[in-house]
Amino acid sequence: NAGVTQTPKFRVLKTGQSMTLLCAQDMNHEYMYWYRQDPGMGLRLIHYSVGEGTTAKGEVPDGYNVSRLKKQNFLLGLESAAPSQTSVYFCASSYSNSRGYTFGSGTRLTVV
Amino acid sequence: AQTVTQSQPEMSVQEAETVTLSCTYDTSESDYYLFWYKQPPSRQMILVIRQEAYKQQNATENRFSVNFQKAAKSFSLKISDSQLGDAAMYFCATRIQGAQKLVFGQGTRLTINP
Repeated sequence: NAGVTQTPKFRVLKTGQSMTLLCAQDMNHEYMYWYRQDPGMGLRLIHYSVGEGTTAKGEVPDGYNVSRLKKQNFLLGLESAAPSQTSVYFCASSYSNSRGYTFGSGTRLTVV
Repeated sequence: AQTVTQSQPEMSVQEAETVTLSCTYDTSESDYYLFWYKQPPSRQMILVIRQEAYKQQNATENRFSVNFQKAAKSFSLKISDSQLGDAAMYFCATRIQGAQKLVFGQGTRLTINP
């Protein structure tokens, strides 16, 4: 049982480049999330999805887009990367709205 | 809006001793859930313990236990017999019943001194 798998694990981008982070879960979870983690700020929610074909904004959505075309996958896109998007990105999924999350192992993204 | 505050950016403890990490939260809801997550240097987020707000009994998981004070909106984590493998960043989080997401605190970095 792989749980939540994030790819890639590390990436360096130049300012203005685009990229997509992939999150895949094999637990048939309805809820999926993208967070960013920055020193001293904890985890901040970027976007989330409560089911296939649905997405919603979190607290820091600017500069990111997401898609959930299949229940098991949740993609996070950066259209034009900026140095302020240098961070560690976590994907997570949840079975219900009373449970905690299962997290992926994170992606360290550096924008130069 | 929910907020979660961890007032201790860093803590340290001697191996085999007990340490308590603090967490306070603010919500107007009465039905919610509280969590502690551990993030070791590997970066993986691991669920340590979960507490339902409607339960008066404090949750325990082996050496980990919580002190849940609902009226004070406090949810501290106690680690007994600290081990070197407990060194990590610890995050407190809360989730309102029916809400789609968790809200996290800023984290506390715990160091274990041998």
